[in-house]
Formats: sequence, C-alpha cells, structure tokens
Amino acid sequence: AQSVSQHNHHVILSEAASLELGCNYSYGGTVNLFWYVQYPGQHLQLLLKYFSGDPLVKGIKGFEAEFIKSKFSFNLRKPSVQWSDTAEYFCAVNLRFGAGTRLTVKP
Amino acid sequence: GAGVSQSPSNKVTEKGKDVELRCDPISGHTALYWYRQRLGQGLEFLIYFQGNSAPDKSGLPSDRFSAERTGESVSTLTIQRTQQEDSAVYLCASSLGPPGSYNEQFFGPGTRLTVL
Repeated sequence: AQSVSQHNHHVILSEAASLELGCNYSYGGTVNLFWYVQYPGQHLQLLLKYFSGDPLVKGIKGFEAEFIKSKFSFNLRKPSVQWSDTAEYFCAVNLRFGAGTRLTVKP
Repeated sequence: GAGVSQSPSNKVTEKGKDVELRCDPISGHTALYWYRQRLGQGLEFLIYFQGNSAPDKSGLPSDRFSAERTGESVSTLTIQRTQQEDSAVYLCASSLGPPGSYNEQFFGPGTRLTVL
C-alpha cells in the first residue's frame, strides 16, 4: 500500500530563515508528486508538482522541491521564508496525502 | 462555476442518522475526488470518479460510506448510520483529466461534519 510520511508536525522559523520540509513515500510504481498549501481560512492550493523530467521543480512563491528517486523523497525548500508563508503544507503522492506540516513564521 | 463548491458547509447530526454531502466540481472537469480530514490529521483519500464511474474506491472506510456521481457533474457522498468517529472535514476536489496526467486537483472549501 502507498503511504506518505511528513517528518515534521510543526515547524517554527523566523523570517528570512531557510526552510526544508521532508516528505518520504513508500510505493514502487509510477509516482506523481505534489506539494499543496493551505493558508489560514483558505482552500488547499497547489504549490508545485512533479511528473517527469528535471527532478528539481520550481513552484509558486519561491518554493522548490527535489525528487530523489533512490531515497523515495520529495522535500520542499525555500531559501528565505516570509511571515506570509505561515500555513499548513501537505505532500501528496498520486492520490495519497501526508499528515501535513504546520509552518509558523515569526515576524 | 468559478471553483469547486460543497454543501452544506457545516453539518451537525446525531449518531445513527444518515447524511448526504454534495460536491459541485468545476465545469468541464472529468475527475472528482473525495477526501476526509480528521482534526489534526492529513487528508485521507476516499474515492475517485472519472466521469460517473469510480475506478478507485479503495479508501471508503466501511460499507456505511457510498458515493455517486451524475455524469461529469455533481457528486454526493452518503454516510449511513453515522458514528462519532465520522466527525471530520470532508473535502472534494476536481481535475480536468484523470490523475497522473499532469492534472492538478482543485479543492473545495469542505463540509465540516459533527456527529453528536
């Protein structure tokens, strides 16, 4: 069965700090990888996605993620976070989602 | 419509009653998905429709849960004989084409179900 693990439940950073959120999955077949974000009071929306090609994908708002097939990982990164990045972040592999990571950025 | 809509936005029911949750996908989207999100947890996949057929309903937790879809339009998720553990936010999403074909899911606002 497919499963998706997000290592951090809650991450607290100061503005301008760098961010990396971990995502690992267990599935041996073809994977379509996604990161979604849910800002307070808003719907889930897509940050970025990977289907094939360059394993380093860039999304909206300066986010990027790297697919490392050998590690079954798809970690999300941002070099310098802003207060407005405070949200919950979900990794998804095909139709399965991780438990989410709550990011709080202190101004 | 402009986005995925769901109704009702909130539903409070008594244990043992049946509930119906509705999802209106974005017009023209052929795929529709239902997820459940319990408090403090991630999204739990329930079922996926392509048109009005359900290629993957492996996530439905029990036979009390069922869903149907009319053509490429509205979908209804029905929970019979609700239990307290059914309390959650039920999210619906739609996409232009089937999953795994460069198709992004667009999510609705969810229905918050509380079973007393």
